[in-house]
Amino acid sequence: DAKTTQPPSMDCAEGRAANLPCNHSTISGNEYVYWYRQIHSQGPQYIIHGLKNNETNEMASLIITEDRKSSTLILPHATLRDTAVYYCIATAGGTSYGKLTFGQGTILTVHP
Amino acid sequence: DGGITQSPKYLFRKEGQNVTLSCEQNLNHDAMYWYRQDPGQGLRLIYYSQIVNDFQKGDIAEGYSVSREKKESFPLTVTSAQKNPTAFYLCASSKQGPVGETQYFGPGTRLLVL
Repeated sequence: DAKTTQPPSMDCAEGRAANLPCNHSTISGNEYVYWYRQIHSQGPQYIIHGLKNNETNEMASLIITEDRKSSTLILPHATLRDTAVYYCIATAGGTSYGKLTFGQGTILTVHP
Repeated sequence: DGGITQSPKYLFRKEGQNVTLSCEQNLNHDAMYWYRQDPGQGLRLIYYSQIVNDFQKGDIAEGYSVSREKKESFPLTVTSAQKNPTAFYLCASSKQGPVGETQYFGPGTRLLVL
């Protein structure tokens, strides 16, 4: 899996968009970018993933740069319940099938 | 409701004792995983299984053992050989797929040593 780099912490005001960056400059062509989040003392929760194109679901949007070396997770209207640790992971199949390498992630704090 | 259940939520282990953590899923997923999380750290893979009766070591398998006799169940035993077992243990499952299918996690078991 390619190494990913995220800022250790970010703040966001409730109701505003939260933009969480992730750098994955060594990502290979068959690696997807996955985002998970973990609310304190709970299991991680899947948010979204993508390969090349931008993706959107009911939780978030994922913007991947054209060279795929970085991406941004966007929570369009952050709420207090979005306070969590957000993990960006680059992963492919083959010998690393199913293996997710979780780094330190970004602690997002949403404040009133 | 489909999902992953882990029990117990909290588990206490005495020195030299083996303990088993339960993980059950009703998502009909082929693959299951065990991770360990220490305070302020990310998750580290202990064992994973892609199919019944088969499992592979992850990054930190020493002191742990698993079995996969049924598709729905993937219990983890923390043996006395694991010298620092205090941690948050997370089980996950995923469908078989060509590339890192989405993993769904259980609520976790917190293991404490007395």
